Amino acid sequence: ETGVTQSPTHLIKTRGQQVTLRCSSQSGHNTVSWYQQALGQGPQFIFQYYREEENGRGNFPPRFSGLQFPNYSSELNVNALELDDSALYLCASSLWRTSLPYEQYFGPGTRLTVT
Amino acid sequence: AQKITQTQPGMFVQEKEAVTLDCTYDTSDQSYGLFWYKQPSSGEMIFLIYQGSYDEQNATEGRYSLNFQKARKSANLVISASQLGDSAMYFCAMSVGYSTLTFGKGTMLLVSP
Repeated sequence: ETGVTQSPTHLIKTRGQQVTLRCSSQSGHNTVSWYQQALGQGPQFIFQYYREEENGRGNFPPRFSGLQFPNYSSELNVNALELDDSALYLCASSLWRTSLPYEQYFGPGTRLTVT
Repeated sequence: AQKITQTQPGMFVQEKEAVTLDCTYDTSDQSYGLFWYKQPSSGEMIFLIYQGSYDEQNATEGRYSLNFQKARKSANLVISASQLGDSAMYFCAMSVGYSTLTFGKGTMLLVSP
């Protein structure tokens, strides 16, 4: 069974630039969620993708966007980077279900630094 | 909206002792799930234990147990016989229905020899 993988591991960008983060979901999973974890905070939900469509979104501006591909891998795109976007970005994959428990399996994260 | 509160920024425990990490939650939903995750310095979130709102018995997974008190809306994590490898950040999280996770701010646990 292949776990959740994310790339790149670390990334340094300049304010105003754009960035793309990638996530490969665990084998057999069809749902991907993205979380932002600022330093010293718990992860915050950005959005979720199921069947290649956005299925829910947290309190993040439209410059945060995503994609899910037919193989269930996913991308997180952030435009017009701001200093506050510096964080650990976590991807979690799961199997879509309509009852608890809703188990999500996390990748190792991508640490983004915006200077 | 759901809210998770973890009031202990840091906890210290000696190896082989038990430790309790506090978590309180707030939701108006009747069906929900409570999770605990461990996050080592590497960053990956590791699932530890789950408790459903309708589960009558407290969940246990090896050295981890969840002290679930529904009326008080608390879901404390108990780690028995602490090990040096338990040193990490611990997050309490909630899922309502089949929605995504809402996390608390976490508790840093340090286990000393």
